Amino acid sequence: EPEVTQTPSHQVTQMGQEVILRCVPISNHLYFYWYRQILGQKVEFLVSFYNNEISEKSEIFDDQFSVERPDGSNFTLKIRSTKLEDSAMYFCASSERYGTGPQEQYFGPGTRLTVT
Amino acid sequence: GENVEQHPSTLSVQEGDSAVIKCTYSDSASNYFPWYKQELGKRPQLIIDIRSNVGEKKDQRIAVTLNKTAKHFSLHITETQPEDSAVYFCAATTSGGSQGNLIFGKGTKLSVKP
Repeated sequence: EPEVTQTPSHQVTQMGQEVILRCVPISNHLYFYWYRQILGQKVEFLVSFYNNEISEKSEIFDDQFSVERPDGSNFTLKIRSTKLEDSAMYFCASSERYGTGPQEQYFGPGTRLTVT
Repeated sequence: GENVEQHPSTLSVQEGDSAVIKCTYSDSASNYFPWYKQELGKRPQLIIDIRSNVGEKKDQRIAVTLNKTAKHFSLHITETQPEDSAVYFCAATTSGGSQGNLIFGKGTKLSVKP
């Protein structure tokens, strides 16, 4: 069964550094998402992406964040200058556009980002 | 924007008993309500979902009910087993559109005691 994959599984970085988290969505999916989950807390929506542009973003997704689909398979989240509070598990998700209305979202295994 | 409240935060049951988790949402335009199961250190996994045009959906031991008027939906697990132990999250879409950006509840930690 196809799955969303993410790399790396764990990233440690120093405050102020840039990080890029990578995701490979399921191949026939057209909607892509990033969520984050601070340890022990709920999953929070960051951004959705469709047709090579951002569809919607949350208040968390400020100017320090950006997303890109550099080729036909990868979907990346960049944090320009990391802060301690960016430490979290970052999940990529994808869904297939089929008909109208929201579709099931499938999550990747996550990247644990630790900012020191 | 959408706000999802989930109760209880923890739930402990004996193996074989039923478990019920409840969620309320604020945006009447929301039309898709999935439930995810997350085991420790793993990805959220979709276990069941319901759309606003139905009131109930069942899949083996798991069922979800939706009351659009009251804006609440519930997860029901019957004949619980130790492997059902996990954190369960409800979610709802932020709008009636097709993007389906999910707003999650805070989660319920379910413990099933053998």
